[in-house]
Amino acid sequence: ETGVTQSPTHLIKTRGQQVTLRCSSQSGHNTVSWYQQALGQGPQFIFQYYREEENGRGNFPPRFSGLQFPNYSSELNVNALELDDSALYLCASSTDRDYGYTFGSGTRLTVV
Amino acid sequence: AQTVTQSQPEMSVQEAETVTLSCTYDTSENNYYLFWYKQPPSRQMILVIRQEAYKQQNATENRFSVNFQKAAKSFSLKISDSQLGDTAMYFCAFMKRYGNQFYFGTGTSLTVIP
Repeated sequence: ETGVTQSPTHLIKTRGQQVTLRCSSQSGHNTVSWYQQALGQGPQFIFQYYREEENGRGNFPPRFSGLQFPNYSSELNVNALELDDSALYLCASSTDRDYGYTFGSGTRLTVV
Repeated sequence: AQTVTQSQPEMSVQEAETVTLSCTYDTSENNYYLFWYKQPPSRQMILVIRQEAYKQQNATENRFSVNFQKAAKSFSLKISDSQLGDTAMYFCAFMKRYGNQFYFGTGTSLTVIP
């Protein structure tokens, strides 16, 4: 097991651009969730993928989308970036949707 | 809807002393889990302790223990013999049984003073 790895660690994008954030989960972790953590706030649930299908979504617009791959990696895509999208994006993975989630160290996205 | 409230934005404690962080939550669910997560400057969320709502016994993990009051919807974290490495943001979180998301509070920044 190598934990949960997120890339890149930091990213600066311009308003209106698109971004893809990546997460590599532990082997066997077929469930991955993405969270947005604004400065000074707790993480907010974006969506969850289970066995490559979306399994629930939080209060985020459709320009936030995701993918999960058979090799336990996943992506978070954000289109038409807005200044308010500046945040720390965390992914968390687990086996079969149990509550033993492992978090990554996040990607710090800054939109200017 | 579930909400989690942490009313202490910042706290400090002397090394080796004991500190208690507060958390209240609101839910209509009967089966759920409660968590305390630690987020150091490395940003990774690290599980400190977990409590199943159906268990009346309070969870303990070494220096960390909780006071779970289900009727009052209260879930406080006690850290005994505080160490410098305990300095971090602490988040209280809720998850429904068979749920797919954590509901986090806004966090408490804990500083352990040497």
